[in-house]
Amino acid sequence: GEDVEQSLFLSVREGDSSVINCTYTDSSSTYLYWYKQEPGAGLQLLTYIFSNMDMKQDQRLTVLLNKKDKHLSLRIADTQTGDSAIYFCAESIAGYALNFGKGTSLLVTP
Amino acid sequence: ETGVTQTPRHLVMGMTNKKSLKCEQHLGHNAMYWYKQSAKKPLELMFVYSLEERVENNSVPSRFSPECPNSSHLFLHLHTLQPEDSALYLCASSQTGSETQYFGPGTRLLVL
Repeated sequence: GEDVEQSLFLSVREGDSSVINCTYTDSSSTYLYWYKQEPGAGLQLLTYIFSNMDMKQDQRLTVLLNKKDKHLSLRIADTQTGDSAIYFCAESIAGYALNFGKGTSLLVTP
Repeated sequence: ETGVTQTPRHLVMGMTNKKSLKCEQHLGHNAMYWYKQSAKKPLELMFVYSLEERVENNSVPSRFSPECPNSSHLFLHLHTLQPEDSALYLCASSQTGSETQYFGPGTRLLVL
């Protein structure tokens, strides 16, 4: 299938905002997801957005969805060193399957 | 136990061995998934079970054999694996009708 595209690496300073971008493939996806993976761990569901929304805010996290361009972004406000991880964008397809990007490695430096 | 658990967390096996990975979900879900995560590649969906029946098999080699005895347990039986099968194997679960999947911590597999 087609690829969900993400930039592979992002580095930010502690306290700054991080923005991770994603381009997905299926315009009929019902939900779009952000997962976080810390070293040696599985995927933790961070947040998701329903396709009829264009923004969702959850504490330090803001998700923006542009359906026309099939673009999804995750903004992390006041980024902390504990936010260093790999962030995966995923789109729902075929009612139950998820199509993942390759992940963006976020490095937060003091 | 809460969420999705997987055992073992780490496994080293030879190409002639037979081993099994176990996944258990404590969320009351009725769909379970196996994914393979290799370095620098997107997560690959291997198998999907919904209501204990297999609904998806993404052209996975027969040396991987899944088993879903009930809605809470999922196994992945491994035999005569290849070194390129070394990866992190992730289990996930969801509730039919919801596309949100919850993942276990994974089993890190090394095939020598």
